[in-house]
Amino acid sequence: DAKTTQPPSMDCAEGRAANLPCNHSTISGNEYVYWYRQIHSQGPQYIIHGLKNNETNEMASLIITEDRKSSTLILPHATLRDTAVYYCIVRAISSGSARQLTFGSGTQLTVLP
Amino acid sequence: DAGVTQSPTHLIKTRGQQVTLRCSPKSGHDTVSWYQQALGQGPQFIFQYYEEEERQRGNFPDRFSGHQFPNYSSELNVNALLLGDSALYLCASSLLTSGVGDTQYFGPGTRLTVL
Repeated sequence: DAKTTQPPSMDCAEGRAANLPCNHSTISGNEYVYWYRQIHSQGPQYIIHGLKNNETNEMASLIITEDRKSSTLILPHATLRDTAVYYCIVRAISSGSARQLTFGSGTQLTVLP
Repeated sequence: DAGVTQSPTHLIKTRGQQVTLRCSPKSGHDTVSWYQQALGQGPQFIFQYYEEEERQRGNFPDRFSGHQFPNYSSELNVNALLLGDSALYLCASSLLTSGVGDTQYFGPGTRLTVL
C-alpha cells in the first residue's frame, strides 16, 4: 500500500471548518483513501473513504485531487469532541481478500474553544 | 457505536504468563482483524481471520495466535508475555463478502499491562 504523509498536529477554532491534508504521491489506481480518527485511548473510528471522486457523509467530506496524489478531509463545523488523532490510510482493494490497514502517525487535531 | 465488542476492558499480567482476549464482531460481519497499539504509536496489524482461518499476518512472532469461531467471534492469544507486549489490543470487523471496499470497524480495545 502507498505511504501517506500528514502534518503531526493542527489546531482549529470551534465552529470553523477543519481541513486535514494528506499526501499519497505513490498511490496506485486500485488504492482507496481511508480516513479514521482516534479519540484518546478509544478504538479508531471510521470516517470516510474514496477512490477518485469527492465523497461526503454525515461526518465529513473527502476531497481527492484529480491526480489522486493528495486529499483533504474536511470537518465542516468542528466541535471540541472532534479533538482526536486523524489517520489517512491508503489501502488496495481486491476482490476476495481483505487488506489490512497500515496506520502512520496521523495528525493530532486540537479544536480550541 | 460500531457494534464491535471486546473483553476484558483492562488486564494486568506478569511476564511469562499467557493471555486470551476476546472479540465479537459487528452483526453481519464475517472477518476479524487484530491490531496492537503501543503507547504513542498507530495501530499495527497482527493478523486477520476469515472462515475460521488465519488469512493474513503481520510481523508478529508466533507467540501471538488466534482463533475464529463459527459465530465469527475471535480470540487473540499471547504466550510467554514480555514487558513489550503492554499495549492496547484492538479488534476490527468487516464483511469480506461485501465485495470491493470492505470497511473495518473497530472495537474499544483491551488495555493489557505486563508487569
